[in-house]
Amino acid sequence: GEDVEQSLFLSVREGDSSVINCTYTDSSSTYLYWYKQEPGAGLQLLTYIFSNMDMKQDQRLTVLLNKKDKHLSLRIADTQTGDSAIYFCADRVDGYSTLTFGKGTMLLVSP
Amino acid sequence: DAGVTQSPTHLIKTRGQQVTLRCSPKSGHDTVSWYQQALGQGPQFIFQYYEEEERQRGNFPDRFSGHQFPNYSSELNVNALLLGDSALYLCASSWYRGRENTIYFGEGSWLTVV
Repeated sequence: GEDVEQSLFLSVREGDSSVINCTYTDSSSTYLYWYKQEPGAGLQLLTYIFSNMDMKQDQRLTVLLNKKDKHLSLRIADTQTGDSAIYFCADRVDGYSTLTFGKGTMLLVSP
Repeated sequence: DAGVTQSPTHLIKTRGQQVTLRCSPKSGHDTVSWYQQALGQGPQFIFQYYEEEERQRGNFPDRFSGHQFPNYSSELNVNALLLGDSALYLCASSWYRGRENTIYFGEGSWLTVV
């Protein structure tokens, strides 16, 4: 079945850039999503990218997609302490908007 | 414009009991999906409702059932609760017939089974 893998932890200093990586297995992916989850909260949609694109920029966020290698990354520029959270990559394959999630990457931003 | 709203926020149930969780999708959205997120894990897809029918189902037993109402809101029911059902239950809304591809989540319902 589909599988989405993420590294579990990333630590950066405030002001640096953060890069969170994700790999997926299904070559039929249509869209790939990034969500942020703060402690005790639900999922906040950050951005998503269509599988035929290779890059999408949205303010401090840059998504890069390498469809050949099935690799997705989320770059956060000028990382702030408020960016500390768990970030989930999710893969959408079918037309029904169901998502397969990775286990999440915990981002810790130190002052 | 209200986003996805879920209730209750927290609840505690005893093994063997039944629970009902509720979700109202974002205004303009017609599809509701339910996910279970165990501690330290990513969300797992339970099922999806569209036009008041269950359209897709993940790998969850029949103890998990749902319903969608004409106003697109939805309920998730879990019968014969087990300790392992303790989790955050998330509702997601989307617009099947729309061109946008956004999928929004609510804040979730924390279920503890004791």
